[in-house]
Amino acid sequence: RKEVEQDPGPFNVPEGATVAFNCTYSNSASQSFFWYRQDCRKEPKLLMSVYSSGNEDGRFTAQLNRASQYISLLIRDSKLSDSATYLCVVNLSGGYNKLIFGAGTRLAVHP
Amino acid sequence: NAGVTQTPKFQVLKTGQSMTLQCAQDMNHNSMYWYRQDPGMGLRLIYYSASEGTTDKGEVPNGYNVSRLNKREFSLRLESAAPSQTSVYFCASRQRGTETQYFGPGTRLLVL
Repeated sequence: RKEVEQDPGPFNVPEGATVAFNCTYSNSASQSFFWYRQDCRKEPKLLMSVYSSGNEDGRFTAQLNRASQYISLLIRDSKLSDSATYLCVVNLSGGYNKLIFGAGTRLAVHP
Repeated sequence: NAGVTQTPKFQVLKTGQSMTLQCAQDMNHNSMYWYRQDPGMGLRLIYYSASEGTTDKGEVPNGYNVSRLNKREFSLRLESAAPSQTSVYFCASRQRGTETQYFGPGTRLLVL
């Protein structure tokens, strides 16, 4: 079983749609959680951290359910520029900040 | 402020050849990392350096060596390239006390 699992997609949605991505992680000792965004043939960049209470950044909302070991990302009012691959990332803690990356969910927003 | 830079951007090697991938960061970060990314898989950690003068193995270190030359630079060496090392390689850095890793643009390596 992969340590971080995501639906690979692609999710094809029209502009203005709301889309949700899910992610599950296997290690209950995981300490912190993130969503990174990766554009085609580019490097990953931090989109947002995920907090236990849930958090929002503009059109993006992230949720964490520690009991179910489940993380979600909701994008409202999708834009063409949101087209990218979204990586679910878990930090197992430890001194060297060991990040475990999911394989990513691809989003394609069309006009 | 260039952030994290990597050279080369692309490289084609023949099996058995050696090469060094270069990485530098100008953010005065303590920790640096090397990852590889393969289709359908998440980024996997090859080696990391928690601080200048230290290096440690990650998840997939076999076939690679690293050097933390100074605080800015962290190189990855393939001594005898194999087709299984065809991948995209990303270098990243992180400031102590934070969790965000900043990635370089990547090196695309093809081993024939």
